[in-house]
Amino acid sequence: NAGVTQTPKFRVLKTGQSMTLLCAQDMNHEYMYWYRQDPGMGLRLIHYSVGEGTTAKGEVPDGYNVSRLKKQNFLLGLESAAPSQTSVYFCASSYPERSYYNEQFFGPGTRLTVL
Amino acid sequence: AQSVTQPDIHITVSEGASLELRCNYSYGATPYLFWYVQSPGQGLQLLLKYFSGDTLVQGIKGFEAEFKRSQSSFNLRKPSVHWSDAAEYFCAATTSGGSYIPTFGRGTSLIVHP
Repeated sequence: NAGVTQTPKFRVLKTGQSMTLLCAQDMNHEYMYWYRQDPGMGLRLIHYSVGEGTTAKGEVPDGYNVSRLKKQNFLLGLESAAPSQTSVYFCASSYPERSYYNEQFFGPGTRLTVL
Repeated sequence: AQSVTQPDIHITVSEGASLELRCNYSYGATPYLFWYVQSPGQGLQLLLKYFSGDTLVQGIKGFEAEFKRSQSSFNLRKPSVHWSDAAEYFCAATTSGGSYIPTFGRGTSLIVHP
């Protein structure tokens, strides 16, 4: 049982390049989330998904797109990377139907630098 | 608007000393409350959670937290801090009466001196 895994762990991009971050969970969770973490800002929700084929915007969605084609995977895309997207990205998932009072399980993070 | 506030950005304690990290929430209904810990270079891990019932909840690693409705607080405590407790601590809340998406505080960084 691997829990929540994220690929890659580190990445350096040049401004304007694109990339996709992959999140996978093996706990059969319905809900999945993408956060970014910046110094002094805590965790900010980018996008989330309540089930396969559904996604919704969070607090800071601009410049990102997501897809949830399979229940176990949640992809975060950057179409044209900007230096402001330099951050640590965390994926999380939570239990179905009782998400509001069950905890989230977090991946180890992806450290992205945009030059 | 729903919010979670952690008033202290940094807390410094000596090893063996007691610890209290503050968390205040602003919710219309009784929230469900969580404390997470993030060790350097790691993801977040749940320490404990409160849903209802006993207002003093026990968690992993010797941590406990007390829910005080009158003060809208959910402070995290540990009687004796170990050097390995140095980490970032996040308080979070959600509620059944609104969005199921949790709201996180900005975190408190705990520094432990030997």
